[in-house]
Amino acid sequence: SYDLTQPPSVSVSPGQTASITCSGDKLGKNYAAWYQQKPGQSPVLVIYQDIKRPSGIPERFSGSNSGNSATLTISETQAMDEADYYCQAWDSTTALFGGGTKLTVL
Amino acid sequence: QVQLVQSGAEVKKPGASVTVSCRASGYTFSSYDIHWVRQAPGHGLEWMGITDPRDGGTIYAQKFEGRVTVTWDMSTDTLYMEVTSLTSVDAAMYYCARSRNWAFDYWGQGTLVTVSS
Repeated sequence: SYDLTQPPSVSVSPGQTASITCSGDKLGKNYAAWYQQKPGQSPVLVIYQDIKRPSGIPERFSGSNSGNSATLTISETQAMDEADYYCQAWDSTTALFGGGTKLTVL
Repeated sequence: QVQLVQSGAEVKKPGASVTVSCRASGYTFSSYDIHWVRQAPGHGLEWMGITDPRDGGTIYAQKFEGRVTVTWDMSTDTLYMEVTSLTSVDAAMYYCARSRNWAFDYWGQGTLVTVSS
């Protein structure tokens, strides 16, 4: 197994671009997914298979994955994007989660 | 629409067991694996295991082997996860989630388990 490492917090001004990174030894060889979780709510999938957006997720959410790092990018960040974000990948049939990043929009 | 509906909150004493249910609807139950994920208060997400609803076969995360058991009822499209020998570290929100395209696309609403003497 391998660990997924995220920064504990990221701050961004409204309208600017936020980038949240996720690093792990084998990450580039496995699909990465990203989840948004607001207080008191279940996680919501925002990016899967590195770059794909589920139906209903705004286009300003995008993802990338290469080498040992995956990145979630939120363009034109809005106050409603303030949440915890978790990356997720696989090691065989075991799911791995990053520790989470608190995105603050201020 | 796809839904995963979990059982209600539980309060248990240390050493007891708890069973959380997850009922699926809106899709063919046997077509997608179901996973269990827990989240302690103020902490991140922790993967517990995966169940194949076609045969109930389950793979558990190593730390939960021997203490977590998942069973399933195909007639009601419901999975049941039992956690035994509860301690304070097991106090958490427990989620079931469906996996598709290498991600968890639908989540249950969560079941809060409190462990207190």
